[in-house]
Amino acid sequence: EVQLVQSGAEVKKPGESLRISCKGSGYSFTNYWIGWVRQMPGKGLEWMGIIHPADSDTRYSPSFQGQVTFSADKSISTASLQWSSLKASDTAMYYCAREAPSARGGFDIWGQGTMVTVSS
Amino acid sequence: QSVLTQPPSVSGAPGQRVTISCTGSSSNIGAGYDVHWYQQLPGTAPKLLIYGNSNRPSGVPDRFSGFNSGTSASLAITGLQAEDEADYYCQSYDSSLSGSVFGGGTKLTVL
Repeated sequence: EVQLVQSGAEVKKPGESLRISCKGSGYSFTNYWIGWVRQMPGKGLEWMGIIHPADSDTRYSPSFQGQVTFSADKSISTASLQWSSLKASDTAMYYCAREAPSARGGFDIWGQGTMVTVSS
Repeated sequence: QSVLTQPPSVSGAPGQRVTISCTGSSSNIGAGYDVHWYQQLPGTAPKLLIYGNSNRPSGVPDRFSGFNSGTSASLAITGLQAEDEADYYCQSYDSSLSGSVFGGGTKLTVL
């Protein structure tokens, strides 16, 4: 079964660092871009950017450039999203998703989401 | 404020047809970039509903269809069912942002 499995929910304090992960299985992880999508509580989806696990080529949305860092470890089929200093406004659900050429760039497989709560 | 504009809400009775619009500009939909549609049921991850403007992934009922016209795209749902009650999002690439964008989302209520 093709799937993306994300790490569990996190509760952090402002200023702390955090890395969440997204592990792919059931397909060739290095053949597909992985995207990150933010959904703040009660709000819509926001495209954060994408990373290609084969060479870690990365594209960030201007809204998230400099705020987060994407990485990928192809040896363990895992993509990661990290923050160096969290803010309360980072509180949101974060999804990873596979961008499929067969879906003409649409995200055809989604992770279950990782809820990040930042509160003092 | 997304560069792709969707109505916040639409509604329809069971069995009816509803459409959800996604209005863009010459830097996204109007430039010919593909539009994708997602369905997000409450408390779940989004699901790809339509890709490449009008294509349905395997398993998506043919009650769902997508089409484009100029700088806009639309999602049509026919034979509305209670299980269709969800949030719907369009997505396209935007050349001015050099990246993809989502519409603000539309909440579908089945009356």
